[in-house]
Amino acid sequence: DTGVSQDPRHKITKRGQNVTFRCDPISEHNRLYWYRQTLGQGPEFLTYFQNEAQLEKSRLLSDRFSAERPKGSFSTLEIQRTEQGDSAMYLCASSLDPGEQYFGPGTRLTVT
Amino acid sequence: SQQGEEDPQALSIQEGENATMNCSYKTSINNLQWYRQNSGRGLVHLILIRSNEREKHSGRLRVTLDTSKKSSSLLITASRAADTASYFCAPVQYGGATNKLIFGTGTLLAVQP
Repeated sequence: DTGVSQDPRHKITKRGQNVTFRCDPISEHNRLYWYRQTLGQGPEFLTYFQNEAQLEKSRLLSDRFSAERPKGSFSTLEIQRTEQGDSAMYLCASSLDPGEQYFGPGTRLTVT
Repeated sequence: SQQGEEDPQALSIQEGENATMNCSYKTSINNLQWYRQNSGRGLVHLILIRSNEREKHSGRLRVTLDTSKKSSSLLITASRAADTASYFCAPVQYGGATNKLIFGTGTLLAVQP
């Protein structure tokens, strides 16, 4: 089963450190989304790529956050100078059309 | 896209019973999707129902859509302990470049064995 994969699954980091997460979408999917989810809430949209172009960024994505999708394949989400408020589950999803999105298992970030 | 509001926020039933959860939204849509999320995991797509459809089935799941009332319901029949999860709806309106999903807080379903 070649679903969406994310790495790492868990990350514990100290405040002020930088972290990078990776997402590998389903291979033929040209659309890739990042979401963030905190406890008891639904996922919140962060950013969207169509192929390698980043077409939308949420206001939630402060200047400490950057995302890339080189060559329209895998994507990385980097958080610089992490803060305790960044602790959350980071979810990646991909789709082929504007239809159903397929989610990865998520990366749980804990900032101590 | 727009946010769906799920109701109730929490639901507890016995195994074998049916579970019904509802979703309301505000403006016209092209489709509405239901997702399930087990604790600490990613979301799993359950069903997509298009605006010109009124009902859709998938195994033990039945989804209805009433565009005049701007609401949808998800029925899980003969529930199992493994159905314990959060359920989210996502109304989708085409037209923007993104078609991002906007989630509410979901319905937390607990199925007691």
